[in-house]
Amino acid sequence: DVKVTQSSRYLVKRTGEKVFLECVQDMDHENMFWYRQDPGLGLRLIYFSYDVKMKEKGDIPEGYSVSREKKERFSLILESASTNQTSMYLCASSYRDRETQYFGPGTRLLVL
Amino acid sequence: AQRVTQPEKLLSVFKGAPVELKCNYSYSGSPELFWYVQYSRQRLQLLLRHISRESIKGFTADLNKGETSFHLKKPFAQEEDSAMYYCALRSGSARQLTFGSGTQLTV
Repeated sequence: DVKVTQSSRYLVKRTGEKVFLECVQDMDHENMFWYRQDPGLGLRLIYFSYDVKMKEKGDIPEGYSVSREKKERFSLILESASTNQTSMYLCASSYRDRETQYFGPGTRLLVL
Repeated sequence: AQRVTQPEKLLSVFKGAPVELKCNYSYSGSPELFWYVQYSRQRLQLLLRHISRESIKGFTADLNKGETSFHLKKPFAQEEDSAMYYCALRSGSARQLTFGSGTQLTV
């Protein structure tokens, strides 16, 4: 059974703080993705990675960066958190390019 | 660029009634279409994909390339179908998905 875990379910940060969101998958998946989920906007892709140290921008990468030093771990970094980054963040992974994406439980981030 | 439109944010139906969740897309090539579902307090999960041509939990969806639609249908809605439903598209050889804005179904 595929397991995608995210380091926190809830986070509260202050404007300007550096924020790290961690995602780990245990099924040797090649691809990993970070989305944000907002009411009325659905899921929007921030960044994805198709291999260790490889990354590609999604639709809304501004204000975010990512890191993938190990195959199983994909980190989302908010360099200087802002209130408009308050959202639910979902991580996903897939085995190969055209395979099903499996999602983590999400991290609800509140930036004050 | 590809786009997925789900025109209904909210949809309420009575138990036992038919349900149709609409999904339209814009993409000039041959897309791959999906429906993902998120039940309350659960993670987002795949419901079905058009290439599988299968029925999952009584739901079916047919890709209509002429109308660029991939509507999700179920003849008799159940209370346990209440959830948020997202339509998604993969274009060409892309790794990533493009999601619609979602429809909250209440039965």
